[in-house]
Amino acid sequence: AQSVTQPDIHITVSEGASLELRCNYSYGATPYLFWYVQSPGQGLQLLLKYFSGDTLVQGIKGFEAEFKRSQSSFNLRKPSVHWSDAAEYFCAVGARGAQKLVFGQGTRLTINP
Amino acid sequence: NAGVTQTPKFRVLKTGQSMTLLCAQDMNHEYMYWYRQDPGMGLRLIHYSVGEGTTAKGEVPDGYNVSRLKKQNFLLGLESAAPSQTSVYFCASSRTLTYEQYFGPGTRLTVT
Repeated sequence: AQSVTQPDIHITVSEGASLELRCNYSYGATPYLFWYVQSPGQGLQLLLKYFSGDTLVQGIKGFEAEFKRSQSSFNLRKPSVHWSDAAEYFCAVGARGAQKLVFGQGTRLTINP
Repeated sequence: NAGVTQTPKFRVLKTGQSMTLLCAQDMNHEYMYWYRQDPGMGLRLIHYSVGEGTTAKGEVPDGYNVSRLKKQNFLLGLESAAPSQTSVYFCASSRTLTYEQYFGPGTRLTVT
């Protein structure tokens, strides 16, 4: 069965600093991977996705993620965070032929001014 | 194009009362999902549908029922609400096999 682990429940970074949010998955075949962002009081918005091909994917709002099969990871990065990036971030995994996604528990990001 | 909408946005119920949450999407998506979100638990799938007239159980289906009579609508029902069902409920939809899900804004439900 698929599973997703986000090891960091809460991360605090300073505005302008770089960011990396970790995501590890468990799945036998090539997974479909997603990062979503949830601003306070809002629904989830897709940041980026990986299905196949180039393992470095670019998303919206200046985010990128890298698929590393050897490490079963799909970490989210941003070179310089902005105060508006404060939100909760969810990693999710799907599979070819599957009918649903499995979500991680989320990482809450706080930005210090 | 409104995307995914949910009605109502907030609701307070007393234990034992019933209610229905409505999800509507205007993207002609085949798949629709109901999740609940609780602190520290992430998103947990309650029920889902792979097309009009179909429903299937997710991870936490007990105490909930669903119906998909029209392709654009997916209803979530609570027949006898319990305090353990206090949560934020999200609906999502996706095209067949692309897995990219679009989420509604959520319904905050409190059961006292």
